[in-house]
Amino acid sequence: DAGVIQSPRHEVTEMGQEVTLRCKPISGHNSLFWYRQTMMRGLELLIYFNNNVPIDDSGMPEDRFSAKMPNASFSTLKIQPSEPRDSAVYFCASSLGPRDTEAFFGQGTRLTVV
Amino acid sequence: AQTVTQSQPEMSVQEAETVTLSCTYDTSENNYYLFWYKQPPSRQMILVIRQEAYKQQNATENRFSVNFQKAAKSFSLKISDSQLGDTAMYFCAFMKHALNKFYFGSGTKLNVKP
Repeated sequence: DAGVIQSPRHEVTEMGQEVTLRCKPISGHNSLFWYRQTMMRGLELLIYFNNNVPIDDSGMPEDRFSAKMPNASFSTLKIQPSEPRDSAVYFCASSLGPRDTEAFFGQGTRLTVV
Repeated sequence: AQTVTQSQPEMSVQEAETVTLSCTYDTSENNYYLFWYKQPPSRQMILVIRQEAYKQQNATENRFSVNFQKAAKSFSLKISDSQLGDTAMYFCAFMKHALNKFYFGSGTKLNVKP
């Protein structure tokens, strides 16, 4: 398996634009996570899904952020409208299931909002 | 709430020597997991080592070992025979049992010098 695949690796966008980040988890994994990494706040969990259902979205910063998982092999994180303070590295991770402790991370998407 | 503290923002070590990275955490849980993740310049988050809180024996993985002190809520990482490829950010993380949500520390930047 190629691991968790995220796209794009880098994204530069103007303030106010819509941004969509994509993630393909490892095949057979039932849990998927979105994390955000910034210098100020470190790594924060934004949302996680189990069997395509959002379980905990308490980390989603505000209504501008939304995440979907339409099927077991694909998830998106959307920011609309984007703001400069959204600039960060966004990681997707997956694991076998809710009781599995080993999460595999993608290489992240570095988002810059100018 | 769970908190994870890494008090060393940056450390250096000579190649082939041993270095210890510190981590403390705060929780009221009795059953949980602790992790060390490595993030090299490539950004990929890589699991280094994992410890179950109910196990008294310290986890080891080749040159990496932990000193887990449950009563003191301390979880340090020892890297023996440091190699240049160990240069990376190291994150300590906590996870409650049966809830695979990570709480990460702020990270320690380790620089291995030739």
